[in-house]
Amino acid sequence: DAGVIQSPRHEVTEMGQEVTLRCKPISGHNSLFWYRQTMMRGLELLIYFNNNVPIDDSGMPEDRFSAKMPNASFSTLKIQPSEPRDSAVYFCASSFGPANEQFFGPGTRLTVL
Amino acid sequence: KQEVTQIPAALSVPEGENLVLNCSFTDSAIYNLQWFRQDPGKGLTSLLLIQSSQREQTSGRLNASLDKSSGRSTLYIAASQPGDSATYLCAVRPNDYKLSFGAGTTVTVRA
Repeated sequence: DAGVIQSPRHEVTEMGQEVTLRCKPISGHNSLFWYRQTMMRGLELLIYFNNNVPIDDSGMPEDRFSAKMPNASFSTLKIQPSEPRDSAVYFCASSFGPANEQFFGPGTRLTVL
Repeated sequence: KQEVTQIPAALSVPEGENLVLNCSFTDSAIYNLQWFRQDPGKGLTSLLLIQSSQREQTSGRLNASLDKSSGRSTLYIAASQPGDSATYLCAVRPNDYKLSFGAGTTVTVRA
């Protein structure tokens, strides 16, 4: 079992650029979560998908953020345009059923200059 | 809004000592509670999931207890080792999908 896979692991970009983060959940898991972790705010849920459908996107900071899940094995989180305050570690997690144990990917460390 | 508190923020113990990590939450209406470990610069590793109907859950040297009525959970790690050094996060699930995380307790086990 490869676990949750995220790419890239590190991303450095300049303000105003588009950033796309990718996630492959554990095979067979039908719930997928995107989180953001910062020193100031800790871990925050950005968006939750169940069976590829977005269920709760109330944590998405603003319209610059968007997420898609075109199929059960792939999800993207896009920031356009990026800003320095978006610098954080972004985690993807998956589970078999939303209330069950969540498994996290290694994260993408995003730095926006 | 569910608030999760972990005290202390940091803990340093000599190798072999038992670790006791505390988590408290404000709303006792929870589905379950999950303990994670996070190593520096890494993702979260799930340690234990304890359902709201359970009083405790065990895995190897780890034991987690849950007292819903008082809004508390405790993670016990027996006979600590330097490899147990990490940040331990408690997360409460107030509904059927959302996890509310504590800020974590950073543990250092001295050899």
